[in-house]
Amino acid sequence: RKEVEQDPGPFNVPEGATVAFNCTYSNSASQSFFWYRQDCRKEPKLLMSVYSSGNEDGRFTAQLNRASQYISLLIRDSKLSDSATYLCVVNHPGGYNKLIFGAGTRLAVHP
Amino acid sequence: DAMVIQNPRYQVTQFGKPVTLSCSQTLNHNVMYWYQQKSSQAPKLLFHYYDKDFNNEADTPDNFQSRRPNTSFCFLDIRSPGLGDAAMYLCATSSPLGAADTQYFGPGTRLTVL
Repeated sequence: RKEVEQDPGPFNVPEGATVAFNCTYSNSASQSFFWYRQDCRKEPKLLMSVYSSGNEDGRFTAQLNRASQYISLLIRDSKLSDSATYLCVVNHPGGYNKLIFGAGTRLAVHP
Repeated sequence: DAMVIQNPRYQVTQFGKPVTLSCSQTLNHNVMYWYQQKSSQAPKLLFHYYDKDFNNEADTPDNFQSRRPNTSFCFLDIRSPGLGDAAMYLCATSSPLGAADTQYFGPGTRLTVL
């Protein structure tokens, strides 16, 4: 079993749609959770951290369910510029900043 | 602006010909990482430095080596590149004093092996 699993997609949605991505992780001792965005042939960039209480940043909402070891990202009112791959990222507990990346979910927003 | 810089952005090498990829940072971060990312796959950690302490991942092939001569610079050496080593190589930094576990990535070097 992979340490971080995501649906690879692609998710093809029209502008204005709401889309949700899910992610599961295997190490119950993980403490930090993130969503990164990666554009085609570019580096990953931090989109948002994910907190136990859930958090929102504009059109983006992230949720964490520790009991189920499940993380989600909701994008409301999708824009063409949201087209990218979204990587679910979890820290590897072990004393330094080691991150485990999912393979990503690809989103394509069309007019 | 403080940043992570990688050179070159694109590297073409021949099968078996050694190649060195470069990463520099102006963030003054203690930790530097090298990742390999193949198409449609997750970035895979090869190794990292915590200051001068080198930490190799268990499944990183011996063909991959790294050097960190000072805080700002880190190099990835591929001693005998094979066709399977063609990938994007990403350098990242983090600081244990900063936001927990946040890593800052450079733009990557795309390696082609002929």
